[in-house]
Amino acid sequence: EDQVTQSPEALRLQEGESSSLNCSYTVSGLRGLFWYRQDPGKGPEFLFTLYSAGEEKEKERLKATLTKKESFLHITAPKPEDSATYLCAVQASNYQLIWGAGTKLIIKP
Amino acid sequence: GAGVSQSPSNKVTEKGKDVELRCDPISGHTALYWYRQSLGQGLEFLIYFQGNSAPDKSGLPSDRFSAERTGGSVSTLTIQRTQQEDSAVYLCASSLGGGGSPLHFGNGTRLTVT
Repeated sequence: EDQVTQSPEALRLQEGESSSLNCSYTVSGLRGLFWYRQDPGKGPEFLFTLYSAGEEKEKERLKATLTKKESFLHITAPKPEDSATYLCAVQASNYQLIWGAGTKLIIKP
Repeated sequence: GAGVSQSPSNKVTEKGKDVELRCDPISGHTALYWYRQSLGQGLEFLIYFQGNSAPDKSGLPSDRFSAERTGGSVSTLTIQRTQQEDSAVYLCASSLGGGGSPLHFGNGTRLTVT
């Protein structure tokens, strides 16, 4: 069965304290792995798409990596404005996405 | 450019009433999704439209839920005889379609059934 698991459920960091969020997946025929950021009261905002193992993408303090079993979202020297829930989703068929439950990231000043 | 627009942003209704939620996708996006998000839960797939193809309704939780997409653009999600368990945020997303195209979400409609 296709499945996506994100860990940890919640992560509290001090400003400037780097860390990583994990997205583990089991899916047959990966067509893409997506990372989104969701702020309270807002819809998810697209961050990255990764298509194949070994691929990496960066945006400001965020870097996403992909292996055959998992993806990491590395956050370097985070700021309070990076606080949000980060969602991971994988696409196996032409359109169906399988979503993780998210990691709530809190960055304390 | 304009993003995905959803209305209303908030809706409070009495149990048993019908509600309609509206979604205006990004112009040119052929794919449109509806999801439901309950507090602390992941995104629950409801329905998918792609161009003129028959929609995938496999995620609709009961026959009280229906959706249509007129002219390949605006979509309406209708919930009949609302129940308290229908309370959630309903999110709409659109994409260019095809494998690997990212979804662009609206800010959702928060539905509260009293």
